[in-house]
Amino acid sequence: EDKVVQSPLSLVVHEGDTVTLNCSYEVTNFRSLLWYKQEKKAPTFLFMLTSSGIEKKSGRLSSILDKKELFSILNITATQTGDSAIYLCAANAGGTSYGKLTFGQGTILTVHP
Amino acid sequence: DAGVIQSPRHEVTEMGQEVTLRCKPISGHNSLFWYRQTMMRGLELLIYFNNNVPIDDSGMPEDRFSAKMPNASFSTLKIQPSEPRDSAVYFCASRDSFTDTQYFGPGTRLTVL
Repeated sequence: EDKVVQSPLSLVVHEGDTVTLNCSYEVTNFRSLLWYKQEKKAPTFLFMLTSSGIEKKSGRLSSILDKKELFSILNITATQTGDSAIYLCAANAGGTSYGKLTFGQGTILTVHP
Repeated sequence: DAGVIQSPRHEVTEMGQEVTLRCKPISGHNSLFWYRQTMMRGLELLIYFNNNVPIDDSGMPEDRFSAKMPNASFSTLKIQPSEPRDSAVYFCASRDSFTDTQYFGPGTRLTVL
């Protein structure tokens, strides 16, 4: 069965800190890894990673994938209170499950002023 | 683009009643996904459709749940009869086949008393 595990499950930091969120996966016919941010509403798309070692960056957020070790990390530098959210990673499958996402449990990030 | 549209946004019903949740995917997206999110179980895939055809319904909890997609612009998720343990946020997402990315609707918060 496909599986995605995130760590830590929750994290409390202060503004200005840097955080690293982890995501490991075991997915048959793996195609890509996606990161979403969920505030008090629907998950919103952040990144899609398909190739190992190539960093994707958007402002203070960056992410990288390691397809050999089957994990990804999401880094947030100089955190702000607006970064407080649940961060979800999801593995995208191929084959007969083409397009199906398996989500991790999420990391709850709380940024205090 | 209006994004994925879901209705109702909130639903409160009594145990035993029928509940119908509705979703309109983003125009041009040919895959549609129904998810359920709870604190205990996180985000779970219930069922998904490609080109209006159900591909994988292995996540549907039991026979009380059913989903249909009569055309490319509309899908329903029905629970009959509803039970208190069905209380959750139900998300619909549609997938852009060019970017291989799923986009979520705002969700329906269901409370079964």
